[in-house]
Amino acid sequence: GAVVSQHPSWVICKSGTSVKIECRSLDFQATTMFWYRQFPKQSLMLMATSNEGSKATYEQGVEKDKFLINHASLTLSTLTVTSAHPEDSSFYICSAGGGQGSQPQHFGDGTRLSIL
Amino acid sequence: GQNIDQPTEMTATEGAIVQINCTYQTSGFNGLFWYQQHAGEAPTFLSYNVLDGLEEKGRFSSFLSRSKGYSYLLLKELQMKDSASYLCAPSDSNYQLIWGAGTKLIIKP
Repeated sequence: GAVVSQHPSWVICKSGTSVKIECRSLDFQATTMFWYRQFPKQSLMLMATSNEGSKATYEQGVEKDKFLINHASLTLSTLTVTSAHPEDSSFYICSAGGGQGSQPQHFGDGTRLSIL
Repeated sequence: GQNIDQPTEMTATEGAIVQINCTYQTSGFNGLFWYQQHAGEAPTFLSYNVLDGLEEKGRFSSFLSRSKGYSYLLLKELQMKDSASYLCAPSDSNYQLIWGAGTKLIIKP
């Protein structure tokens, strides 16, 4: 099946640090990737849709300047959490694939971000 | 609005069968996905239904009734490793998946 690689798996850093998370589709080209955030025992929350070669589409309430998304190639999207604060601590997951029809979204393993 | 309704938690016995129900309301409909999510991990794809009826995949089957806005996931011969959350995710008119909180399934020996 399709493989999506997400790195790093864990990040622990001080408040005010910027953190970059990478999402790669390893065996297929992904014009669209998705970034989610999930708090404990809550549902996946779509943050933004990353589009190759163009600007990301952010969901309502998600700060564009806080969560920078770059989708520079058909296999790589990055999410940068700028000037992270403790309230940004969460589980961030990317996915690729999906779109029209029966193709499912395939998820990376997620990144657990802890801001001290 | 768009919403998903699944039981919050279910308990079943190893070796038994369990059915997880899902009702949904979406703006348009382009199929429904089921995902499994173990605690602390990302979701993994289980099944997809776009037409009414049953899709069988090994120990897992998924059913869809579009007119009723209803789906279920049937798990047979339950194993301890099946303890996880199960997410019902319909696809709306923009092919965007709608996510609920899922059903936490606890398997007991």
